[in-house]
Amino acid sequence: AQSVTQLDSHVSVSEGTPVLLRCNYSSSYSPSLFWYVQHPNKGLQLLLKYTSAATLVKGINGFEAEFKKSETSFHLTKPSAHMSDAAEYFCVVSRYNTDKLIFGTGTRLQVFP
Amino acid sequence: DAGVTQSPTHLIKTRGQQVTLRCSPKSGHDTVSWYQQALGQGPQFIFQYYEEEERQRGNFPDRFSGHQFPNYSSELNVNALLLGDSALYLCASSLAEGVYIQYFGAGTRLSVL
Repeated sequence: AQSVTQLDSHVSVSEGTPVLLRCNYSSSYSPSLFWYVQHPNKGLQLLLKYTSAATLVKGINGFEAEFKKSETSFHLTKPSAHMSDAAEYFCVVSRYNTDKLIFGTGTRLQVFP
Repeated sequence: DAGVTQSPTHLIKTRGQQVTLRCSPKSGHDTVSWYQQALGQGPQFIFQYYEEEERQRGNFPDRFSGHQFPNYSSELNVNALLLGDSALYLCASSLAEGVYIQYFGAGTRLSVL
């Protein structure tokens, strides 16, 4: 079975400071891992995707994530937070291309001026 | 290029009624997946359609059914609505071949009274 655990339900940072959103995964297969962002009243937008190529994945809007198999982690980072980054972030796992997506419970990121 | 569009945006129903939600996939996409997102939770996979057939199904009762049309658009039907069916219903489209990324619509907010 596959699952993801997002270790923080809420994260608060000041604008201009680094962001770290933590995700651990469990999978009996070599997984595909994703981070999606959801702004209020908007659909889910893909930030980045890992599919067994480079372990450090760069995404949109300055976000990146590192796949660490030994730690079964896929944490999302950004060097400098912007007010527009305030949203709900989901860590997602799937077994293979075309497979269903399994979402974590989400992390709400607040950015203070 | 239109993304994934869903209709209606909001819907209010009473217990026991039936509801139909609609989804038009992103241009060129042939696969449609449906997800249910309860308040404060991550989306949960309902089912996926490809070539007008249900290809995968999540842990949802038979009250949830779907359809895919030859133009790849899709419907989600829910019968005998329960209060617990109140949620945001998200449609995602993707390509069965090639780079596998699911693109999400903004969702339909269903309230069951």
